[in-house]
Amino acid sequence: DVKVTQSSRYLVKRTGEKVFLECVQDMDHENMFWYRQDPGLGLRLIYFSYDVKMKEKGDIPEGYSVSREKKERFSLILESASTNQTSMYLCASRVGRNEQFFGPGTRLTVL
Amino acid sequence: GENVEQHPSTLSVQEGDSAVIKCTYSDSASNYFPWYKQELGKRPQLIIDIRSNVGEKKDQRIAVTLNKTAKHFSLHITETQPEDSAVYFCAASIGTNAGKSTFGDGTTLTVKP
Repeated sequence: DVKVTQSSRYLVKRTGEKVFLECVQDMDHENMFWYRQDPGLGLRLIYFSYDVKMKEKGDIPEGYSVSREKKERFSLILESASTNQTSMYLCASRVGRNEQFFGPGTRLTVL
Repeated sequence: GENVEQHPSTLSVQEGDSAVIKCTYSDSASNYFPWYKQELGKRPQLIIDIRSNVGEKKDQRIAVTLNKTAKHFSLHITETQPEDSAVYFCAASIGTNAGKSTFGDGTTLTVKP
């Protein structure tokens, strides 16, 4: 069974703080993704990575950066958190042109 | 880039009825179309998918149809049960190993007992 884990289920941060969200997958998948999920807006892609040290912008990359130093780990970074980044963040991984496996999500609240 | 539209945004049916959710996509290069189900408080999980070389695929009570010419695909759930209540997302992917998926906005399905 593919396992995708995220470092926190719930996180509360203050405006201006630097925030790190970590995602780890255990199935040697090449592709990893970060989405944010907001009511009525579906799953919006922030960044994705198709290999170690490779990254591509998704549809809403502004205010975010990512890091992939190892194949199994993909980190999302909010350089200076703002209240409009309060959301559910979902990580996913995929091998080839197949289904994505999602992590449990991190609900981030920025005060 | 790819644009995926999903309708309806909410759907309420009686137990035992059928439910249909429709999606349209814009990029004719898309060739992989998965459907995910997300139960309340849980992560999205794949329930069925279809590739562009196939027009229809069925798995027990769920089926997906694809019309490449019209660029739309649909999820069909028959004999709905209360446990089918969830948010359903469609997606479209361009068929490269490094390709991203574009998701629809989701449909909240409620099955009333």
